[in-house]
Amino acid sequence: AQTVTQSQPEMSVQEAETVTLSCTYDTSENNYYLFWYKQPPSRQMILVIRQEAYKQQNATENRFSVNFQKAAKSFSLKISDSQLGDTAMYFCAFMKPTGANNLFFGTGTRLTVIP
Amino acid sequence: DGGITQSPKYLFRKEGQNVTLSCEQNLNHDAMYWYRQDPGQGLRLIYYSQIVNDFQKGDIAEGYSVSREKKESFPLTVTSAQKNPTAFYLCASSDLAALQETQYFGPGTRLLVL
Repeated sequence: AQTVTQSQPEMSVQEAETVTLSCTYDTSENNYYLFWYKQPPSRQMILVIRQEAYKQQNATENRFSVNFQKAAKSFSLKISDSQLGDTAMYFCAFMKPTGANNLFFGTGTRLTVIP
Repeated sequence: DGGITQSPKYLFRKEGQNVTLSCEQNLNHDAMYWYRQDPGQGLRLIYYSQIVNDFQKGDIAEGYSVSREKKESFPLTVTSAQKNPTAFYLCASSDLAALQETQYFGPGTRLLVL
């Protein structure tokens, strides 16, 4: 079974600073996908960034980037120039390449951006 | 504009009552999913459907039922058999033809028991 671990229940960062959220996962699959979702106080789950395991290059989306370490099964999210609107729960998720019941979530990290 | 809608935003259930949560998508996605979110936990899969008139149980299907009569709609019924239904419910959809099958989520429904 796939497990996703987010070891930081809560984090805080000063506005305009950089913060890194950790995620590790356990799988025997070689091909898979990884995601970071953001859940702001509105509770809508919003896709932040995604990474294909077969790609060595780390994904980036504006101020958001990942550090994907396949051998270590690590997938951390870096938020640069943090903004107040980044305050949210962040969930790491793992997707197997096949099957419909294939998306597994971590328990989340609550990030607070301090003005 | 395209997206996933869920209604109602808040729902109250009385003891022994069945309630139905609505989920509609106009993204032309094949697959739809229902998740339950409890405080301090990630999302847990209740049911999913890859095609009209077919659906599969997820990890916590007991006390829930679904139907998929139309591609756009995937309603979830919380039955009286679900003893602890208070939670936040999220519906999602994905395009099975897409390489990554990324799941996109609706705004959610909060269910409270009176």
